[in-house]
Amino acid sequence: QKEVEQDPGPLSVPEGAIVSLNCTYSNSAFQYFMWYRQYSRKGPELLMYTYSSGNKEDGRFTAQVDKSSKYISLFIRDSQPSDSATYLCASAAGGTSYGKLTFGQGTILTVHP
Amino acid sequence: NAGVTQTPKFRILKIGQSMTLQCTQDMNHNYMYWYRQDPGMGLKLIYYSVGAGITDKGEVPNGYNVSRSTTEDFPLRLELAAPSQTSVYFCASSYGLDSQYFGPGTRLLVL
Repeated sequence: QKEVEQDPGPLSVPEGAIVSLNCTYSNSAFQYFMWYRQYSRKGPELLMYTYSSGNKEDGRFTAQVDKSSKYISLFIRDSQPSDSATYLCASAAGGTSYGKLTFGQGTILTVHP
Repeated sequence: NAGVTQTPKFRILKIGQSMTLQCTQDMNHNYMYWYRQDPGMGLKLIYYSVGAGITDKGEVPNGYNVSRSTTEDFPLRLELAAPSQTSVYFCASSYGLDSQYFGPGTRLLVL
């Protein structure tokens, strides 16, 4: 079983839709949760960072972490064609494992006008 | 401020050849990382470093070596290239997990 599982999609939505991207993880030691966006043939860029459980909002993006169910979500409101990219979730434990990120497979998102 | 730079952008290697992938950052970050990305597989951590002189293995270190003699540079060495090492390699740097910056990547093809 992979430590971080992500539905690879692809996901295709109309402009303006609410997008929900999800990951599950199995390692109870994970405390840090990230979402990255990766455009085609580019390096990933950090989109959202969350420590432990809870919600975090940044503009049209909301990240949720539920440690009780080991579930990570990213919501995109009012999606735009420029949001079309691959979205990667990632997790890390603390202590001596701080820095060792484990990534999901990535979800390919297309937002069409 | 160039951020994280990687060279080369693309390389073709023959089986058994060696090469070094270069990575440099100008943000004075302590943490540096090497990942590989295969199609549909996300990113897998190869090695990482928490500072000059300190390195540690990630998830897939076999076939690779690293060194960190300065804060700025974190080269990745492939000693005996194999077809299984065909991939896109990303270097990244950060102060912590909330600020990781990735380079543009190196595409490697081993034939």
